[in-house]
Amino acid sequence: GEDVEQSLFLSVREGDSSVINCTYTDSSSTYLYWYKQEPGAGLQLLTYIFSNMDMKQDQRLTVLLNKKDKHLSLRIADTQTGDSAIYFCAESTSGGGGNKLTFGTGTQLKVEL
Amino acid sequence: ETGVTQSPTHLIKTRGQQVTLRCSSQSGHNTVSWYQQALGQGPQFIFQYYREEENGRGNFPPRFSGLQFPNYSSELNVNALELDDSALYLCASSLVGSIYEQYFGPGTRLTVT
Repeated sequence: GEDVEQSLFLSVREGDSSVINCTYTDSSSTYLYWYKQEPGAGLQLLTYIFSNMDMKQDQRLTVLLNKKDKHLSLRIADTQTGDSAIYFCAESTSGGGGNKLTFGTGTQLKVEL
Repeated sequence: ETGVTQSPTHLIKTRGQQVTLRCSSQSGHNTVSWYQQALGQGPQFIFQYYREEENGRGNFPPRFSGLQFPNYSSELNVNALELDDSALYLCASSLVGSIYEQYFGPGTRLTVT
């Protein structure tokens, strides 16, 4: 089955690093994603990682994947107030059901001055 | 900017009514997916369309239906609205060769009273 879990809330100070964690259950997931949602807006694709990779870095974002433990993390370096938003982890599964994304409940990141 | 647009932005309907939501995919994207996001939750997959046919469906009843048109725009129709249908409805488009990259529109906020 598919289930994605995240902690609900994270508070950091501006300039610090943020680490948002996620666990998933479907071992057949092909890609794992991080999306950002600001208030009243849709989802912005931040980054994604193929399931056979361990790490992906994209500017201030670092994604780590531990496939054995089904654990995904997103590290945001030098966190800014503009990073305040809800961050969703998602896994993709394909096959008879098309290619769908299964999302976690989201982690609200609050960046304080 | 993703290029995915949705209309209307907000909508208020009465229980039992029918509603049609519209999505215009990003240029060149031939696959569209619809998601329902209840308040405080992550998006839930409704269904996906490719080449004007349903290509996968989540755990939603038949009163949720869709259409995809030759120009890759699409509609989500919901009949016999229930109070629990109140949510943000998001569409996401992708290119079949890059199905792992799904880009979301800003969503339609539906309120059922």
